[in-house]
Amino acid sequence: NAGVTQTPKFRVLKTGQSMTLLCAQDMNHEYMYWYRQDPGMGLRLIHYSVGEGTTAKGEVPDGYNVSRLKKQNFLLGLESAAPSQTSVYFCASSGRDQQPQHFGDGTRLSIL
Amino acid sequence: GESVGLHLPTLSVQEGDNSIINCAYSNSASDYFIWYKQESGKGPQFIIDIRSNMDKRQGQRVTVLLNKTVKHLSLQIAATQPGDSAVYFCAENNAGGTSYGKLTFGQGTILTVHP
Repeated sequence: NAGVTQTPKFRVLKTGQSMTLLCAQDMNHEYMYWYRQDPGMGLRLIHYSVGEGTTAKGEVPDGYNVSRLKKQNFLLGLESAAPSQTSVYFCASSGRDQQPQHFGDGTRLSIL
Repeated sequence: GESVGLHLPTLSVQEGDNSIINCAYSNSASDYFIWYKQESGKGPQFIIDIRSNMDKRQGQRVTVLLNKTVKHLSLQIAATQPGDSAVYFCAENNAGGTSYGKLTFGQGTILTVHP
């Protein structure tokens, strides 16, 4: 049982480039989330989805877009990368309210 | 690697000792709480959770205590082992309204266990 899988694990971009981070879960979870983790700031929610075809903004959504075309996949896009988006990105999923979120092992993204 | 440890509270213990990691939460309406463990280069790993209708819950070697009066959460690890060394995060959720399971995370505490 793979749980939550994120690809790629590492990526270096130049300012202005675009890319998509992929998240896949095999637990049939309804809810999926994208976080960023920066030194000393814990995990901050970027966007989330409560079901296939739905997305919503989290705490720090600016500069990111998401899509949930299939229940098992949640994509995070950076249209025009900026150095401030250098971070570690985590995807998580959960079955419903008051259930633990399960996390992937992250994507380490550097923007030069 | 990632420098998650900047400015985080730290706790150093000897192998075999009991560890207590504390967390203050801010939202008095929060009614679900989780502790996560994060090892270097890995994603957060679920340890234990507790709902607001309880004040204590036990797992394998871990106990979570919830004091709603002072909005305080603690994680106790019995017989701490070197493999317990990691960053520990508490997280809270207000399940009322349209929270959709969203969690608010604390900044984390670095636990170092010395052999």
